[in-house]
Amino acid sequence: GAVVSQHPSWVICKSGTSVKIECRSLDFQATTMFWYRQFPKQSLMLMATSNEGSKATYEQGVEKDKFLINHASLTLSTLTVTSAHPEDSSFYICSARDLAENYNEQFFGPGTRLTVL
Amino acid sequence: GENVEQHPSTLSVQEGDSAVIKCTYSDSASNYFPWYKQELGKGPQLIIDIRSNVGEKKDQRIAVTLNKTAKHFSLHITETQPEDSAVYFCAATPGFQKLVFGTGTRLLVSP
Repeated sequence: GAVVSQHPSWVICKSGTSVKIECRSLDFQATTMFWYRQFPKQSLMLMATSNEGSKATYEQGVEKDKFLINHASLTLSTLTVTSAHPEDSSFYICSARDLAENYNEQFFGPGTRLTVL
Repeated sequence: GENVEQHPSTLSVQEGDSAVIKCTYSDSASNYFPWYKQELGKGPQLIIDIRSNVGEKKDQRIAVTLNKTAKHFSLHITETQPEDSAVYFCAATPGFQKLVFGTGTRLLVSP
């Protein structure tokens, strides 16, 4: 149980284009999903917290107009990187918190590697 | 806000030895402390966690200890195997707030 999937697993795009990444909780309902970015040999950096049916909460320094987050259902959140540039190349990871859990246990997806040329 | 420090940044052991990774946190309200294992190119996997109402938890070769007074918690891996080689992250959170991660420990187990 507690499986989180991401799609795509990797994507290469041209500078200036937009890329959408999907995060799904497969066997549980998640009121809250989190989006992280991880650069090589670094820790996970939280970008935003996504709550089902409401606007996402972005961390300081993360541009909400560039990283669009939609959490339309209890099992799906999407991250759209708009007008991507080479500096946006990174490993993007989502996690989801089980609605039934009382603590902040998060289950992570396998990540999406974005390369912007 | 919460701040988590993790040591060491790299750890090399021989197969069969034990490995210990230590983390300290700053927010006394933190009550949930998970440990994640991340293999190259993959997302983090929860390997063990501990809540603030217990001092130790064990799952086969893996154990975690928590000292709330000193605000530190540790991951212990016994009888290490080459497949334990990965990056390990600790994290802390007060209640339903966001997880705050440590900087990671790269563990290398040599056969």
